Amino acid sequence: GAGVSQSPRYKVTKRGQDVALRCDPISGHVSLYWYRQALGQGPEFLTYFNYEAQQDKSGLPNDRFSAERPEGSISTLTIQRTEQRDSAMYRCASSPGTSGYEQYFGPGTRLTVT
Amino acid sequence: GIQVEQSPPDLILQEGANSTLRCNFSDSVNNLQWFHQNPWGQLINLFYIPSGTKQNGRLSATTVATERYSLLYISSSQTTDSGVYFCAVERQETSGSRLTFGEGTQLTVNP
Repeated sequence: GAGVSQSPRYKVTKRGQDVALRCDPISGHVSLYWYRQALGQGPEFLTYFNYEAQQDKSGLPNDRFSAERPEGSISTLTIQRTEQRDSAMYRCASSPGTSGYEQYFGPGTRLTVT
Repeated sequence: GIQVEQSPPDLILQEGANSTLRCNFSDSVNNLQWFHQNPWGQLINLFYIPSGTKQNGRLSATTVATERYSLLYISSSQTTDSGVYFCAVERQETSGSRLTFGEGTQLTVNP
């Protein structure tokens, strides 16, 4: 079946603009995760959902970052008033269970803030 | 939080050589995954291996959970094996299921 999809794949925005990044998980997957990956480093956790409930947002760097998953499927990560330091690869993953299950990653969204 | 250390940080091989990548972690885990990030940035699942041994073609992995380490073996390496290999773990705790990634091993396979 289809894997995790993300859109857009590339986003260039000007400093101060808001951006919304979308993640479409594998059908039926209960848990959805957002990670951010800087160049030359491993992905770092941002937040995750079980169904529509946001379980942990401790990895969000500040209050400009927010995420939602209103119907327990597609999720949106929103960054308000973007700054250059927000430039990174944003990765989404999903898993069929809530803990201890394999996570499957999407292709990522490369965000560049100019 | 849990610490994940990968070694070596960089590895250069000739095509056909074998290699072993190591991942050490600092706490009990209920998930350990190995990934390959190819030169196009895709993160590809290699193994889900919180314990035991698995093999998939030229690749195999072993996790010794009691000693908190995992090994990824690549045999008869090919140029397409080039990229960054990440180990990631999920700490065994009552809440939270985040993966914590190591810094990766950059593998270059020369023809």
